[in-house]
Amino acid sequence: DAGITQSPRHKVTETGTPVTLRCHQTENHRYMYWYRQDPGHGLRLIHYSYGVKDTDKGEVSDGYSVSRSKTEDFLLTLESATSSQTSVYFCAIRESVSGANVLTFGAGSRLTVL
Amino acid sequence: KQEVTQIPAALSVPEGENLVLNCSFTDSAIYNLQWFRQDPGKGLTSLLLIQSSQREQTSGRLNASLDKSSGRSTLYIAASQPGDSATYLCAVRRNAGNMLTFGGGTRLMVKP
Repeated sequence: DAGITQSPRHKVTETGTPVTLRCHQTENHRYMYWYRQDPGHGLRLIHYSYGVKDTDKGEVSDGYSVSRSKTEDFLLTLESATSSQTSVYFCAIRESVSGANVLTFGAGSRLTVL
Repeated sequence: KQEVTQIPAALSVPEGENLVLNCSFTDSAIYNLQWFRQDPGKGLTSLLLIQSSQREQTSGRLNASLDKSSGRSTLYIAASQPGDSATYLCAVRRNAGNMLTFGGGTRLMVKP
């Protein structure tokens, strides 16, 4: 997984509770991303970061916030989880491979909101 | 808005067959296209990246082609093996920035 660790890998929580997912990378990549994967929708970008304290919204950012206080960690927070946020969440980093920018993904975090 | 479609959604073939997975996209102004493999319960593994100026890329038994003008890419798998069973996703990048748009994937099963 190119030095990408997601935690927790599995979480079950109740509607209305806050949840934070962590993505940790060890290779000092500048760009980091959070995607969610749902049947029938593929992967959709939630938020991304292009440096410490620099973040921007993706296509499905409502209900989510992110923080990047240091290069190696990118946190995704659901302030008040809803059942529609039940999904598998993937973190990715952007790296250069043979001169091209490619995304490399973590193993995913499965979140169930009851 | 870019839309990426992969057909079929699922495919089952006997071992040894050559097969083609299809990916189509609505906006031909792309920067590059990437094919991924995803095993059940796992993350995505990058297989091939095709820049917008390229027509194809090859890696082992895999060959990906790109026809930007028609908004299509194909992933060709030669001499399929049971270990190729996985979901294959294509994703297009609209510019040198960050947005990747994914297709829904094709779930491939190769039977021994």
